[in-house]
Amino acid sequence: AQSVTQLDSQVPVFEEAPVELRCNYSSSVSVYLFWYVQYPNQGLQLLLKYLSGSTLVKGINGFEAEFNKSQTSFHLRKPSVHISDTAEYFCAAQKGGGNTPLVFGKGTRLSVIA
Amino acid sequence: GAVVSQHPSWVICKSGTSVKIECRSLDFQATTMFWYRQFPKQSLMLMATSNEGSKATYEQGVEKDKFLINHASLTLSTLTVTSAHPEDSSFYICSVRGSSYNEQFFGPGTRLTVL
Repeated sequence: AQSVTQLDSQVPVFEEAPVELRCNYSSSVSVYLFWYVQYPNQGLQLLLKYLSGSTLVKGINGFEAEFNKSQTSFHLRKPSVHISDTAEYFCAAQKGGGNTPLVFGKGTRLSVIA
Repeated sequence: GAVVSQHPSWVICKSGTSVKIECRSLDFQATTMFWYRQFPKQSLMLMATSNEGSKATYEQGVEKDKFLINHASLTLSTLTVTSAHPEDSSFYICSVRGSSYNEQFFGPGTRLTVL
């Protein structure tokens, strides 16, 4: 079964500093990868996704992620964070090619400090 | 993307009562709907998957007689928590998927508090 690991439960970072949120997934022949953001008491909003093709994926709000097959990683990065980026971030994976459910990591709480 | 709504957004009920949560896909043909629950500061745990017109498939450990799911149409699914107890208090989130299996959209969630 697919599994997703987010090693960092909390990441504090100063405003305008860069940030990387780590995500590793269990290997699969074909896998789709996603990053979602969740603000307090709200549902999930898609930041970006990797399906195939270019390994560098750009998403909304200035975020990007790089698919690394050899390291089975899909780390999320932003060069300069804002206070408004404070939220919970979830990495998710889906076995590609079928109507299979998303499997979520445990989430990383990003706290941006002024 | 699709717009997904949930009603109510929050509900407080007494122990032993049943609560129904609606999930609507406003502009999207949701052939598959998913129900998740999320405890404070934790990840989303899949409860069940339902395809329109079919019985829901429940994940291991989820009681199908306690969490009744109805996916009556391509735009509506309901989750009924029967005989709710305080341990059922959680954030319930629905999600929809269409014919494109790599796109999934989430509702805003329903906060259930059982006293």
